[in-house]
Amino acid sequence: GEQVEQRPPHLSVREGDSAIIICTYTDSATAYFSWYKQEAGAGLQLLMSVLSNVDRKEEQGLTVLLNKKDKRLSLNLTAAHPGDSAVYFCAVSPSSGSWQLIFGSGTQLTVMP
Amino acid sequence: EAAVTQSPRNKVAVTGGKVTLSCNQTNNHNNMYWYRQDTGHGLRLIHYSYGAGSTEKGDIPDGYKASRPSQENFSLILELATPSQTSVYFCASGDQGQNTEVFFGKGTRLTVV
Repeated sequence: GEQVEQRPPHLSVREGDSAIIICTYTDSATAYFSWYKQEAGAGLQLLMSVLSNVDRKEEQGLTVLLNKKDKRLSLNLTAAHPGDSAVYFCAVSPSSGSWQLIFGSGTQLTVMP
Repeated sequence: EAAVTQSPRNKVAVTGGKVTLSCNQTNNHNNMYWYRQDTGHGLRLIHYSYGAGSTEKGDIPDGYKASRPSQENFSLILELATPSQTSVYFCASGDQGQNTEVFFGKGTRLTVV
């Protein structure tokens, strides 16, 4: 079945710097890709999602890149601020049937003032 | 705003006891999910449901049962709780098909002693 690896597990950046989180997946038929943010003590909040026919999507300081050849998904926070400090998860879904999300193991992002 | 409510938010249970985690959604979504979150594993799918009366096994169903008595409610049942089931559990709801957002509850922290 699909395997998703996420790195780095921990990331610390200064305010205003960019932060990049990467996920790799194994199933070339993966059709749906998303990024979630989890703040302390809270559930997961969807940041952005793309289908497999999209290579790049930008919204509100976030950029999602999808490289289907390398089976790599990335999230770039272009100018991080302390409010971005949280755990970030990638989640993918295969093209077949059951609409299940398969999550990466998460990245703890800390943005220092 | 889409809402997924979990109860209880915190629970301490004894080994061998029965635990029921409840989830209610007001989104009128067909699909509901139970995940557990453990450090280093991200979120792993335990059970899910396509609608009232349906339950399906996810990736790690052993030791868990699920019940979907209505569109709004989806319960996770631990008949004989074990310390290895100590975790944070998240319920989620979403519509059929891809490119639709999945909404998460705030989580239930379960400790089995």
